Amino acid sequence: ETGVTQSPTHLIKTRGQQVTLRCSSQSGHNTVSWYQQALGQGPQFIFQYYREEENGRGNFPPRFSGLQFPNYSSELNVNALELDDSALYLCASSSPNRDSGYTFGSGTRLTVV
Amino acid sequence: QKEVEQDPGPLSVPEGAIVSLNCTYSNSAFQYFMWYRQYSRKGPELLMYTYSSGNKEDGRFTAQVDKSSKYISLFIRDSQPSDSATYLCAIPGPTNAGKSTFGDGTTLTVKP
Repeated sequence: ETGVTQSPTHLIKTRGQQVTLRCSSQSGHNTVSWYQQALGQGPQFIFQYYREEENGRGNFPPRFSGLQFPNYSSELNVNALELDDSALYLCASSSPNRDSGYTFGSGTRLTVV
Repeated sequence: QKEVEQDPGPLSVPEGAIVSLNCTYSNSAFQYFMWYRQYSRKGPELLMYTYSSGNKEDGRFTAQVDKSSKYISLFIRDSQPSDSATYLCAIPGPTNAGKSTFGDGTTLTVKP
């Protein structure tokens, strides 16, 4: 069983609303990355947090924001939801070692109607 | 042009077949390559990573990199129904694996 847990597993929101997704990292991992995976596509990097600071951002607008807490858990917030935000949102924790890869959670399926 | 392009599939093979999954990448500076497997309704899980040209073997899985062609492949020998999943190639970010660029995946079905 994966050490990364995400909540909720499914969510339905209305266009224009705001949403908060949560991620609990694997023990010992101080780096958290968030990805958006649209249906039939690969994950796209949103941003990464390292020791509570943003440590890189992909090509996503500012209405996508995040937080990392001292226990290395993390949140992804999306404001002013759009229909195209419907996707699987994945959280992945890793050590800073490039060779370690990630441990992904099972994701939150967000549907915007 | 996308940084990583993956053969779209889907791919359907009989049990026991050898499977070849392929990606091309655009930037010759890339040195690390990863393969992930994603089961339905799950997050990706790291299968293999490779750093250099040539082959890397792990059980029934072999990752191959051809830097001259900017081509990476994953071979699965003696494929099993449990191998049915989407396979994603990925290029790690320049500083750590947390900022990777993924291909769009190839969905594989292994029929008993």
